[in-house]
Amino acid sequence: EAGVVQSPRYKIIEKKQPVAFWCNPISGHNTLYWYLQNLGQGPELLIRYENEEAVDDSQLPKDRFSAERLKGVDSTLKIQPAELGDSAVYLCASSLEGPGTGQETQYFGPGTRLLVL
Amino acid sequence: QKEVEQNSGPLSVPEGAIASLNCTYSDRGSQSFFWYRQYSGKSPELIMSIYSNGDKEDGRFTAQLNKASQYVSLLIRDSQPSDSATYLCAVNWGGSYIPTFGRGTSLIVHP
Repeated sequence: EAGVVQSPRYKIIEKKQPVAFWCNPISGHNTLYWYLQNLGQGPELLIRYENEEAVDDSQLPKDRFSAERLKGVDSTLKIQPAELGDSAVYLCASSLEGPGTGQETQYFGPGTRLLVL
Repeated sequence: QKEVEQNSGPLSVPEGAIASLNCTYSDRGSQSFFWYRQYSGKSPELIMSIYSNGDKEDGRFTAQLNKASQYVSLLIRDSQPSDSATYLCAVNWGGSYIPTFGRGTSLIVHP
């Protein structure tokens, strides 16, 4: 079974430029998560989707970040414009169902390493 | 603010010893608990999940949960150098269900 797929794996951009990350979850997984991970820290949730609905986006900086999961399968996270402080690893994860269901084990993709210069 | 606390370490143990990793959390309403291992430059991978008080064993790994003390731990028996990694504790809360990760504990197993 294929795991969570993310692309690109690495991205270097200049500040104020836009950037987009793509994630394809494990087949059949209804719940999709986007996390940000800084060096030496644990992943921090940006947004969680149940199918195509964003159900937790309180920690997404909506002035510059946006996300979509139009058909309830793959998802795109966008930053526009990027700032120096956005340099981090962006992780996508998926689970069969959401938290509290007993089928919430998350499986992570390889991540996208973003460097903003 | 719901918090998950872990000692960042590093925790250094000799090969063959038992490594004990600890995690505390701030909300008694927490429902599910997870331990992930993360090698440097890689993404987290699940080791174990635990939902009920007590111990849960899987091979060399044992997770221990004490909801009254708001404490979850991971024991690694017969530690191997390949176990050297950062171990992340994650908690799923009741209510808002926003999963929260600790900052991780770095484990070093030396030959």
